[in-house]
Amino acid sequence: AQSVTQLDSQVPVFEEAPVELRCNYSSSVSVYLFWYVQYPNQGLQLLLKYLSGSTLVKGINGFEAEFNKSQTSFHLRKPSVHISDTAEYFCAVRTRSNTGNQFYFGTGTSLTVIP
Amino acid sequence: DTGVSQNPRHKITKRGQNVTFRCDPISEHNRLYWYRQTLGQGPEFLTYFQNEAQLEKSRLLSDRFSAERPKGSFSTLEIQRTEQGDSAMYLCASSLGRNSNQPQHFGDGTRLSIL
Repeated sequence: AQSVTQLDSQVPVFEEAPVELRCNYSSSVSVYLFWYVQYPNQGLQLLLKYLSGSTLVKGINGFEAEFNKSQTSFHLRKPSVHISDTAEYFCAVRTRSNTGNQFYFGTGTSLTVIP
Repeated sequence: DTGVSQNPRHKITKRGQNVTFRCDPISEHNRLYWYRQTLGQGPEFLTYFQNEAQLEKSRLLSDRFSAERPKGSFSTLEIQRTEQGDSAMYLCASSLGRNSNQPQHFGDGTRLSIL
């Protein structure tokens, strides 16, 4: 079975400061990893994904994430946040097989950017 | 931009009533997913279609829940005899292809409130 842990439920950060949102996963098989962002009353939008290759993945809006297999982590980072980054962020995993169709989501991290 | 469309956006109903939600996926996407999201939680998988075939159902999907995708295009999710615990955001997502590395594209969801 797969599971995703986002230890930080809320992260306040000042505008233009760096931020890291943590994600750890557990799985008995290889997985694909994703980060999604959700703005109030909206669905989820894909920020970035790790499928294979380079462990540092760059996404939209200046976000990046690094896959660390030994630590089973996929932390999301941004060097300088903006007010518009205030949202809920979800880490998700999928198994690397055609039978593993569903995503397993973490409980989310609420990022609040303070002016 | 013809993304995933969900209707209605909000539904308020009395306990015991039946409700039906509709999801129109991105037109060329053959896979369609339903998730439920409660406050402070990540989306939880409910069910998955590949074309018109319902291939996976979560244990969360009780007998009161039924989903269809009759022509392999739009899908409906029906909840019969609604209960207070059914109050949640119901999210639909779609993806293309046979591989599990394809990201899912989410609609804005239907928020269900049971009085």
